[in-house]
Amino acid sequence: AQTVTQSQPEMSVQEAETVTLSCTYDTSESDYYLFWYKQPPSRQMILVIRQEAYKQQNATENRFSVNFQKAAKSFSLKISDSQLGDAAMYFCAYRSDNDMRFGAGTRLTVKP
Amino acid sequence: SAVISQKPSRDICQRGTSLTIQCQVDSQVTMMFWYRQQPGQSLTLIATANQGSEATYESGFVIDKFPISRPNLTFSTLTVSNMSPEDSSIYLCRVDPIGLAHTQYFGPGTRLTVL
Repeated sequence: AQTVTQSQPEMSVQEAETVTLSCTYDTSESDYYLFWYKQPPSRQMILVIRQEAYKQQNATENRFSVNFQKAAKSFSLKISDSQLGDAAMYFCAYRSDNDMRFGAGTRLTVKP
Repeated sequence: SAVISQKPSRDICQRGTSLTIQCQVDSQVTMMFWYRQQPGQSLTLIATANQGSEATYESGFVIDKFPISRPNLTFSTLTVSNMSPEDSSIYLCRVDPIGLAHTQYFGPGTRLTVL
């Protein structure tokens, strides 16, 4: 069964600094997608970034980028120039066909 | 992107009662799913809501406890039956839009508290 592991229950970053959230996954599939979701206290799941496994190039969305290491099954999220509004729970997710699995989440705190 | 609404957005219920949560999408979708998110936890899939047939439940979830309906391609309901405090969670629906492979959207969630 596919599993997603986030080993950092909590992370903290100073405003304007950079932070990296870790995620590893286990799968025997060759075709899959990886996602990072942000969940603020409003509980809405907000898509931060998406990576197709067949693409070697790391996805980037403004201040958010990933380090996708397919052989190592690692998918970390880097947040640059952290802002107070980035404070939230972050979930790493794996999807193959309709099967979607989530990591346990990392709570990010941003210090002013 | 799809616009998804869930009703109610939150509720406080008494033990032993049942609550039906609605998920409405503004466009037709292929697949609809229901997730539970217990306090401080991640999302756990309850079931896949199939249009025109019975829902497909994940291990640990049963139809008698979580009956699901999906009468058409834009609407689904999840009922939490005979509630106990352990059912206090956020319940989210997820939809997969037609024509967009490996794309999914989540509803805003329903926060349920059982006393």
